[in-house]
Amino acid sequence: EAGVTQFPSHSVIEKGQTVTLRCDPISGHDNLYWYRRVMGKEIKFLLHFVKESKQDESGMPNNRFLAERTGGTYSTLKVQPAELEDSGVYFCASSQTVQEPQHFGDGTRLSIL
Amino acid sequence: GQSLEQPSEVTAVEGAIVQINCTYQTSGFYGLSWYQQHDGGAPTFLSYNALDGLEETGRFSSFLSRSDSYGYLLLQELQMKDSASYFCAVRLRAGSYQLTFGKGTKLSVIP
Repeated sequence: EAGVTQFPSHSVIEKGQTVTLRCDPISGHDNLYWYRRVMGKEIKFLLHFVKESKQDESGMPNNRFLAERTGGTYSTLKVQPAELEDSGVYFCASSQTVQEPQHFGDGTRLSIL
Repeated sequence: GQSLEQPSEVTAVEGAIVQINCTYQTSGFYGLSWYQQHDGGAPTFLSYNALDGLEETGRFSSFLSRSDSYGYLLLQELQMKDSASYFCAVRLRAGSYQLTFGKGTKLSVIP
């Protein structure tokens, strides 16, 4: 069984540009979560999808971040425009049910110059 | 705010036993999870405690005391491959499935 896949693994962009991160959850997992870890800080929750619906988006930092999960399969997280403080590692996780453990991807390392 | 405290670094000898503690001060509590992360890799689920007591999975065990807001991860028969970062994470309430993480403990296993 393939794990959670994230693309790209690394992204380097300039401040003001747009970046889109993609997450492919484990097949059959209805629940998809986004987290991020900025340098020196803990991993922090961004949002939770159940299929294509946003169940909890309380962790989204501001309206420069837009997450979508059209069709309830893969998800994208767009940052527009990117700011320096957005640098960090963005993790995606999925679970079959909310009671089961969340399985994480390797993350996308985002650097804003 | 939510606070999970764990030691930043721990060093232990191959073959020994190590305990990584986690104390939490959170507005709610619905379970404590532990994750392992090797450099550059994905956090990997290790264990989950919702009730007080010890959960054992092979060489790894996890303990929870809700009255003390405290838990620990116990690693036995340490191997070099156990060198990694270990994170405790709390689920705050029944209706929310987001995890609140500690900053992680970097475990170094030495020969």
